[in-house]
Amino acid sequence: AQTVTQSQPEMSVQEAETVTLSCTYDTSESDYYLFWYKQPPSRQMILVIRQEAYKQQNATENRFSVNFQKAAKSFSLKISDSQLGDAAMYFCAYTMPGTYKYIFGTGTRLKVLA
Amino acid sequence: DSGVTQTPKHLITATGQRVTLRCSPRSGDLSVYWYQQSLDQGLQFLIQYYNGEERAKGNILERFSAQQFPDLHSELNLSSLELGDSALYFCASSAQTGREKLFFGSGTQLSVL
Repeated sequence: AQTVTQSQPEMSVQEAETVTLSCTYDTSESDYYLFWYKQPPSRQMILVIRQEAYKQQNATENRFSVNFQKAAKSFSLKISDSQLGDAAMYFCAYTMPGTYKYIFGTGTRLKVLA
Repeated sequence: DSGVTQTPKHLITATGQRVTLRCSPRSGDLSVYWYQQSLDQGLQFLIQYYNGEERAKGNILERFSAQQFPDLHSELNLSSLELGDSALYFCASSAQTGREKLFFGSGTQLSVL
């Protein structure tokens, strides 16, 4: 069965610094999709970034980028120039075509220190 | 605005009661997902519907049930409520299963007293 693991329950970063959140997953499939979602204190779930497994190029969205290592089944999120508004819970998620489940990790709480 | 509408935003009720949470998916989305998030916890997948049919079931209690109607809106029914059912219940929708991102509603905060 597919699983998603976020081994860091909590992380802290100084404002303007860079932080990397870890995510590993387990699957035997070759075609799948990975996501990072942000949940700020408002508790709204917001998509940060999406990665297609068959694309070797790492996805990037402004200050957010991923390091996708397919062989290692690793999908880490790098936040550059951290801002106070980046403070949130971050969830890694996995899905594959034709299935009806999006599997979420347990989340990493990111604190941004001024 | 994700385009997914959940009502009500807040619900306060007593143990043993029954409530109905409603979700309208984003226009054009056929898939609706329900998740439960207890305080400071991750998202627990409950159930998923595609075009009116149940397609996947997660850790959904027997006291809970859901359905998706012909107009594609969905309802999650929670009965014989217990204190532990207090949580944020999210509805999400997607255009395609297993490819696209999920669009989340703002959630219904259920408090069972």
